Amino acid sequence: QLQLQESGPGLVKPSETLSLTCTVSGGSISSSSYYWGWIRQPPGKGLEWIGSIYYSGSTYYNPSLKSRVTISVDTSKNQFSLKLSSVTAADTAVYYCARPTQQWLVRLWGQGTLVTVSS
Amino acid sequence: DIQMTQSPSSLSASVGDRVTITCRASQSISSYLNWYQQKPGKAPKLLIYAASSLQSGVPSRFSGSGSGTDFTLTISSLQPEDFATYYCQQSYSTLGTFGQGTKLEIK
Repeated sequence: QLQLQESGPGLVKPSETLSLTCTVSGGSISSSSYYWGWIRQPPGKGLEWIGSIYYSGSTYYNPSLKSRVTISVDTSKNQFSLKLSSVTAADTAVYYCARPTQQWLVRLWGQGTLVTVSS
Repeated sequence: DIQMTQSPSSLSASVGDRVTITCRASQSISSYLNWYQQKPGKAPKLLIYAASSLQSGVPSRFSGSGSGTDFTLTISSLQPEDFATYYCQQSYSTLGTFGQGTKLEIK
């Protein structure tokens, strides 16, 4: 069965770039009809879409984060990645990778990884 | 942007109670409304999609209704494992914004 697993540094310094990778196991990231995306949740707060990428390479970013976000896919490694630049303490959150449908509902989530922005 | 507003923000109830959570969209979203359950330290779990369709494996005590701008999630008889935070999500527009959540606590 398809599974998602986030990986990356748990601590990032202010003004630096947060980089996370999501490894897809149990299936191919090149499957059609699905997107691959990132959702975050600050401690004690709600869920916020960061963005998503279609298997063809089309990307969709949250307008509030668009200037700082890049999502890409590496089909050779069956992974997709998130880069968020110029981070501040407000970017401290649990970051989830996810597989939304074309209707943007999410049945498949990674377990989440906490990223803290602090010097 | 479509804003999603849930009420109440928190709710205390007892095992066996019937509970209703409301979600309101800032504009009509037809039936493009999903509900998730999240327990502490875990990823959200999809319960209801398209306003009233029960996700496979979800107990039938969960139900959803509504269309347009007003939606409800109902738990017919609360079980101990239902105490969690619930989020609505509109999937009418790209990415689909979430509500702020409703925390369901034991009375």
